[in-house]
Amino acid sequence: KAGVTQTPRYLIKTRGQQVTLSCSPISGHRSVSWYQQTPGQGLQFLFEYFSETQRNKGNFPGRFSGRQFSNSRSEMNVSTLELGDSALYLCASSLNNRDRGYGYTFGSGTRLTVV
Amino acid sequence: EDQVTQSPEALRLQEGESSSLNCSYTVSGLRGLFWYRQDPGKGPEFLFTLYSAGEEKEKERLKATLTKKESFLHITAPKPEDSATYLCAVLMIKAAGNKLTFGGGTRVLVKP
Repeated sequence: KAGVTQTPRYLIKTRGQQVTLSCSPISGHRSVSWYQQTPGQGLQFLFEYFSETQRNKGNFPGRFSGRQFSNSRSEMNVSTLELGDSALYLCASSLNNRDRGYGYTFGSGTRLTVV
Repeated sequence: EDQVTQSPEALRLQEGESSSLNCSYTVSGLRGLFWYRQDPGKGPEFLFTLYSAGEEKEKERLKATLTKKESFLHITAPKPEDSATYLCAVLMIKAAGNKLTFGGGTRVLVKP
């Protein structure tokens, strides 16, 4: 079965611009989480969506936002980009089911470079 | 505050030299502990999920164990292709929603 698909794979943006990243989860998975990975901070939780509702949010400024659609696809948006936003952005999907497991499957990520 | 700590930060091994990676955690509402492998420029690849103390899981040269405060990933007779960063993550189920908190990772280099 198809894995988690993230697009685009690479992105270069200028400071002050905004960017939208996309994530298509594994078919049947209703939970999508987003993470930022940098060499200095490691993997940090951004937010989690389940059935189109944001259920949890990490400690990131309001410039970082997201949404989930009825088909479980998710997007995250970063406005007013800063140099420090350069990172690998990872999306993970999960069944999020007590009986069938909580396994998280990650996509390959979007490498964002802000110049 | 919820915390996940991995040690060592980096590990250099000769091919065939077995070793263990540690993941210690201080969290509330633990639901499970995950181990992932990550290669440069790629997303984390799932290895194991452990749900309760005493649980063990094996896959090829890797074996993961879990206690109430820490988990170990044992690498037996590693090969160069086992070189990667190994990440552990703790899943917490809270009123505000699920949260997967990662440790800093252990970079493993296996030399032939």
